[in-house]
Amino acid sequence: AQTVTQSQPEMSVQEAETVTLSCTYDTSESDYYLFWYKQPPSRQMILVIRQEAYKQQNATENRFSVNFQKAAKSFSLKISDSQLGDAAMYFCAYRSGGGSQGNLIFGKGTKLSVKP
Amino acid sequence: EAGVAQSPRYKIIEKRQSVAFWCNPISGHATLYWYQQILGQGPKLLIQFQNNGVVDDSQLPKDRFSAERLKGVDSTLKIQPAKLEDSAVYLCASSLSGISNQPQHFGDGTRLSIL
Repeated sequence: AQTVTQSQPEMSVQEAETVTLSCTYDTSESDYYLFWYKQPPSRQMILVIRQEAYKQQNATENRFSVNFQKAAKSFSLKISDSQLGDAAMYFCAYRSGGGSQGNLIFGKGTKLSVKP
Repeated sequence: EAGVAQSPRYKIIEKRQSVAFWCNPISGHATLYWYQQILGQGPKLLIQFQNNGVVDDSQLPKDRFSAERLKGVDSTLKIQPAKLEDSAVYLCASSLSGISNQPQHFGDGTRLSIL
């Protein structure tokens, strides 16, 4: 069974600085997707960024980028120029690929605080 | 485009009572998911529908939880009778289809407290 581990329960960053959130996963599959979701106090899970395992190039979305290390099964999220609105819970998630209908498997999350 | 709608936003009941949650997915989305998120954890899938059929309910405690999506649009999740460990946020999500490359869009969830 696949597992997702987020080893940092809480992180803090100064506004305008850069922070990296860690995620590791375990799988025997070669085709899969990895995601980072943001969950503010409003509770809605918002997709931040997605990475296809078959793509070597790291995904980027504006101030958000990932460092995908397939061999090491590591998928970290870097937030540049942190803003107060980035404060939230961040969840790393895994989903089997290959056209399957596998469900999302989430880590326990990292609470990010942004200091003004 | 309207997002995933859920109601109620909060619910407080006593143990052994019953409760129901409602979800209306994004228009045109064939796949609907119910997740349970216990405090301090990530969401866990309870059930996945493709139109009005169940794709995966392997983690649904079927002795007390039930869900339906009769017309393949909105869905109801019911708990009867509720236990203390059912206190959680219940999230509904939808996607165009169930294949892995389709992003899931989440609602705001229902926070359930069991006294």
